[in-house]
Amino acid sequence: AQKITQTQPGMFVQEKEAVTLDCTYDTSDQSYGLFWYKQPSSGEMIFLIYQGSYDEQNATEGRYSLNFQKARKSANLVISASQLGDSAMYFCAMREGWSGGSNYKLTFGKGTLLTVNP
Amino acid sequence: DVKVTQSSRYLVKRTGEKVFLECVQDMDHENMFWYRQDPGLGLRLIYFSYDVKMKEKGDIPEGYSVSREKKERFSLILESASTNQTSMYLCASSSTRPHATQYFGPGTRLLVL
Repeated sequence: AQKITQTQPGMFVQEKEAVTLDCTYDTSDQSYGLFWYKQPSSGEMIFLIYQGSYDEQNATEGRYSLNFQKARKSANLVISASQLGDSAMYFCAMREGWSGGSNYKLTFGKGTLLTVNP
Repeated sequence: DVKVTQSSRYLVKRTGEKVFLECVQDMDHENMFWYRQDPGLGLRLIYFSYDVKMKEKGDIPEGYSVSREKKERFSLILESASTNQTSMYLCASSSTRPHATQYFGPGTRLLVL
């Protein structure tokens, strides 16, 4: 079974509108972290936002927020007021456990291609 | 700001050649990682290292080796390049705290002919 599932291969949004990118995860660990990355066409992966499994509040970073629903094992990324520069691939990723060594690995979803239309 | 650099943005090699991809980070991070990225397959971990001279296999280590002689540098080696190793290679580094967020380099697009 996939550990990170991103069900939307592609999404379209109008400039200045909000968009939600879906991510569901599968883990039996109690301690884990969830990450979102943006990859523009240039190829570099850019870290956007982090949510820890014990964090009681949803993470926010500027126009990015993470809708964390632990019981449903979902960690959706919300981008408010979309801009043309937000057009990119977006990846959800998970780190499981917290005891060092191999627990620093990330498992990535297959990504969602977001296109922002003017 | 975290800075991760990779030795080349684009590389063209011939089948059978030995290929070195180098990655350098300037944030004194303990952990370093090598991924390859292919369309429809996402990012797959090749090798990672959590300390100097330490390495662990990721999900797809076959055909690759790594070297970490200094904390800031992590090299990926293709012993005998093959056409199925044509891909985008991404290096990342992370500390151990607070969240072990991985920061990525710009990537190397490798074409093996």
